[in-house]
Amino acid sequence: DARVTQTPRHKVTEMGQEVTMRCQPILGHNTVFWYRQTMMQGLELLAYFRNRAPLDDSGMPKDRFSAEMPDATLATLKIQPSEPRDSAVYFCASTGPLTGGNQPQHFGDGTRLSIL
Amino acid sequence: GDSVTQMEGPVTLSEEAFLTINCTYTATGYPSLFWYVQYPGEGLQLLLKATKADDKGSNKGFEATYRKETTSFHLEKGSVQVSDSAVYFCALSDASGGYQKVTFGIGTKLQVIP
Repeated sequence: DARVTQTPRHKVTEMGQEVTMRCQPILGHNTVFWYRQTMMQGLELLAYFRNRAPLDDSGMPKDRFSAEMPDATLATLKIQPSEPRDSAVYFCASTGPLTGGNQPQHFGDGTRLSIL
Repeated sequence: GDSVTQMEGPVTLSEEAFLTINCTYTATGYPSLFWYVQYPGEGLQLLLKATKADDKGSNKGFEATYRKETTSFHLEKGSVQVSDSAVYFCALSDASGGYQKVTFGIGTKLQVIP
């Protein structure tokens, strides 16, 4: 089965450091989502790309977070500088090229981020 | 805006018990509805979906029916197993704004004990 691949799976770093998380969507999928999951807030949408163009990043703190898709096989989420409150599991998901709302999302296994 | 409300867990059941996890939604358009499951240390996986009113989604013994009149999409299983222990998310997807917007519920943790 095709899968969304996220790296790294785990990241522990000190406050103030730059963090980069990577996502390889399923080949042929043109829509990519970034989510953050915490116990307190649940699953939050951070950003959303279609055909590599950002469509919605309203859920993302703009001062320290940035999301890009350098090419169709790679999406990145960066935090600079990182803060302890950024500790969470970050998920990437992708959907296929068909338009419409009935396409399910395919999730990666997440990056578990801990900021000390 | 769109919203999804699902029962808070945790839900603890004995093996072979009947499961219901309630989910209701509000949406401005005509959404598709989904149930996702998340096992420990993994991402969400699609469990089942329904794209229009009265559709029934089913998979692995789980079922949910799209009820437009009650704006509900309750998840049911007749006999749960220990391996069903996971977190279950109800979600709706609405493309009426010109692009797909997905709204997730808070998730309901299910624990099945032998």
